[in-house]
Amino acid sequence: RKEVEQDPGPFNVPEGATVAFNCTYSNSASQSFFWYRQDCRKEPKLLMSVYSSGNEDGRFTAQLNRASQYISLLIRDSKLSDSATYLCAVRGAGSARQLTFGSGTQLTVLP
Amino acid sequence: GAVVSQHPSRVICKSGTSVKIECRSLDFQATTMFWYRQFPKQSLMLMATSNEGSKATYEQGVEKDKFLINHASLTLSTLTVTSAHPEDSSFYICSAIDGQHSSYNSPLHFGNGTRLTVT
Repeated sequence: RKEVEQDPGPFNVPEGATVAFNCTYSNSASQSFFWYRQDCRKEPKLLMSVYSSGNEDGRFTAQLNRASQYISLLIRDSKLSDSATYLCAVRGAGSARQLTFGSGTQLTVLP
Repeated sequence: GAVVSQHPSRVICKSGTSVKIECRSLDFQATTMFWYRQFPKQSLMLMATSNEGSKATYEQGVEKDKFLINHASLTLSTLTVTSAHPEDSSFYICSAIDGQHSSYNSPLHFGNGTRLTVT
């Protein structure tokens, strides 16, 4: 089983739609969780951290479910500019600071 | 803050040659840098972790003699792909951590990546 797994996608949604991505992780001791956005042929850029209590940033809402070991990202009122690949990232327990990434979910918002 | 610069952004080289990629932290001291690789339509895979002044730690399956990492200063780490082959063609991305001002919950910020094509 992969350490971090994501919805395979691709997701093609009309402008204005609400879309949700899920990501599961296998290590129950994982400590930190993030969503990154990656545009074609570019580096990943942090979208938001994911907190236990859930957090919202404008149209984006991230949730963490430790019991079921998954994180989610909800995008409301999708814009054309939201088209990208969304990567979830997990940091395990211990002193290592690297992140383990999911394979990414491709989102295309259609006009 | 936490700006990471990577150079070159793109390189094309012939099979058998070596390529050096630089990763710099511009506004902080990077005690730790990570090197990732991403093949088309795949996720980022960690290659190695480099700590300033010590040997890099390589992930399983990554040849340390082929991918030479040097982290000689708190602002610069280099990755040298030696004797490059077409299968080394990939997107190489570095990331750095500000050891003094980041917490365990801090995200990683990435350099702009280097797209390597070996012909």
